[in-house]
Amino acid sequence: GNSVTQMEGPVTLSEEAFLTINCTYTATGYPSLFWYVQYPGEGLQLLLKATKADDKGSNKGFEATYRKETTSFHLEKGSVQVSDSAVYFCALIPPNAGNNRKLIWGLGTSLAVNP
Amino acid sequence: EAQVTQNPRYLITVTGKKLTVTCSQNMNHEYMSWYRQDPGLGLRQIYYSMNVEVTDKGDVPEGYKVSRKEKRNFPLILESPSPNQTSLYFCASSLNGRGYGYTFGSGTRLTVV
Repeated sequence: GNSVTQMEGPVTLSEEAFLTINCTYTATGYPSLFWYVQYPGEGLQLLLKATKADDKGSNKGFEATYRKETTSFHLEKGSVQVSDSAVYFCALIPPNAGNNRKLIWGLGTSLAVNP
Repeated sequence: EAQVTQNPRYLITVTGKKLTVTCSQNMNHEYMSWYRQDPGLGLRQIYYSMNVEVTDKGDVPEGYKVSRKEKRNFPLILESPSPNQTSLYFCASSLNGRGYGYTFGSGTRLTVV
């Protein structure tokens, strides 16, 4: 079946450090891939997305590249800030979703950035 | 501003007392969905709706009802809440539920005692 696996947290970094959060998926065909972010006490926000192989999604300094050969969609940022502290979720929508185009979620990775 | 509005943000209720969590979107989206978020279990879909009067069950529909009488509104109804429905609930909408991604509401933290 379809699934998403994220690296377990929490991840703790110092400000200006490089961030990588690993995400791999299992799905047939070419799913749409997403990263969502949940800041403390808030709802989920779409951070970036990619809908076909080799697409790179980017937003707010974050990037992720859709790698079909490794079934991965790793999230990266070159220099994190304290304001990036949040929980990050990797998710997919299968290509053969039919009527129920639900998101398949990873369990989330908590990131804490220290000044 | 394009948004999904959920109310209330916080709710404490007693077992068996019917409640409704409202959800409204102003983006003319066809696809709407409800999720619950629980520690260690992640986000699980409760119900979804493809369009007005078209709804169907997600992964964990037991104990919940929904309706979609208008395109913009998708309320979640708990007819007889129980403590195992204590959770953080999110409403989401999408233009077509595929590559566009979803817009989420701010969440409703429900406690059933």
